[in-house]
Amino acid sequence: GAVVSQHPSWVICKSGTSVKIECRSLDFQATTMFWYRQFPKQSLMLMATSNEGSKATYEQGVEKDKFLINHASLTLSTLTVTSAHPEDSSFYICSAETRRFNEQFFGPGTRLTVL
Amino acid sequence: KQEVTQIPAALSVPEGENLVLNCSFTDSAIYNLQWFRQDPGKGLTSLLLIQSSQREQTSGRLNASLDKSSGRSTLYIAASQPGDSATYLCAVVNYGGSQGNLIFGKGTKLSVKP
Repeated sequence: GAVVSQHPSWVICKSGTSVKIECRSLDFQATTMFWYRQFPKQSLMLMATSNEGSKATYEQGVEKDKFLINHASLTLSTLTVTSAHPEDSSFYICSAETRRFNEQFFGPGTRLTVL
Repeated sequence: KQEVTQIPAALSVPEGENLVLNCSFTDSAIYNLQWFRQDPGKGLTSLLLIQSSQREQTSGRLNASLDKSSGRSTLYIAASQPGDSATYLCAVVNYGGSQGNLIFGKGTKLSVKP
């Protein structure tokens, strides 16, 4: 089956620093990847859609200058949380879309804690 | 605006019981519907995907049905096991909008007791 990895799986950082999260599709090419955020006891909320070779599309209320997305290749998308603050602490999950039925496969997630 | 609701929010059953998880959505113009499993602190595992033209999908002890006209889907788990304990999420993709934009319910937290 399709496998998506994320790195790191967890990160703790100080307020004001930037954190980069990688999302890779390991055994398939994904022209489209998605970034979600999940707060405790809440469902996943789409943050942005990342297309290879073009600018990401952000959902309403998501600051594009704060959450920088780069989709440099068909197997890698990165999310950089710039100048992180405690309210950015959350579980970030990426997914990669296969051409078959537009099915999405999800990464294991990255737990970000900003002190 | 599409809204996805899952009932119940939590469910506790003894091992071996058959159970049904419910998902409803307000806009029937969907492209597909997926059921996912999420273990605590983990990402999502796709369980079943049902295209809008399909009525059900089966995988092992899992069976998902879709009634698009009434805006409902059910996930049936047969002979439940403690390893089935997790949060089950239902999500739809709308026609006309971003094809990849999954809209999630809040999930049903299942606990299967030995």
